[in-house]
Amino acid sequence: EAGVVQSPRYKIIEKKQPVAFWCNPISGHNTLYWYRQNLGQGPELLIRYENEEAVDDSQLPKDRFSAERLKGVDSTLKIQPAELGDSAVYLCASSLVGYEQYFGPGTRLTVT
Amino acid sequence: DQQVKQNSPSLSVQEGRISILNCDYTNSMFDYFLWYKKYPAEGPTFLISISSIKDKNEDGRFTVFLNKSAKHLSLHIVPSQPGDSAVYFCAASEGNTGKLIFGQGTTLQVKP
Repeated sequence: EAGVVQSPRYKIIEKKQPVAFWCNPISGHNTLYWYRQNLGQGPELLIRYENEEAVDDSQLPKDRFSAERLKGVDSTLKIQPAELGDSAVYLCASSLVGYEQYFGPGTRLTVT
Repeated sequence: DQQVKQNSPSLSVQEGRISILNCDYTNSMFDYFLWYKKYPAEGPTFLISISSIKDKNEDGRFTVFLNKSAKHLSLHIVPSQPGDSAVYFCAASEGNTGKLIFGQGTTLQVKP
């Protein structure tokens, strides 16, 4: 069974530029999560989708961050414009039922 | 306010000995707890979990203990192996929110 796929794995951009991350969850997993992990910290939830509906986006900085999950499968997280403080690892996770979430390898974003 | 805390940033043990990783939480509404392991450049992988109605859960070399009155959980690894060297995150969930709150992580090094 394929795991959660994320791309790109690494991204370096200049501040004020836009950036997008893509996630393909495990097949059949209805719930999809985007997390941000800062250096030396644990992952922090940005947004959670149940199928195509964003059911928890309370931690998503809506002035510059946006996300979508068209057709309830793949998802894209966008930052526009990026700021220096956005440098982090962006993790995507998915789950079927219960509490166990399966994480992708993440995208390491560096904003210069 | 950090609801889940891992106060030890790092731990070093000898191969074959016991590793004990600790985690404290403040929210008494948390009812499910998980441990994740993370290798460099990979996403966190699920290790073991425990419901708040239990005080112990064992899976092979890994045992998680929950002390609800102290709001404390621990992960025991016996015997420790060099391949266990990784960052360990504890996480907690409240009800059926699907939202995991992670600690800061503890880096475990198992020396041969």
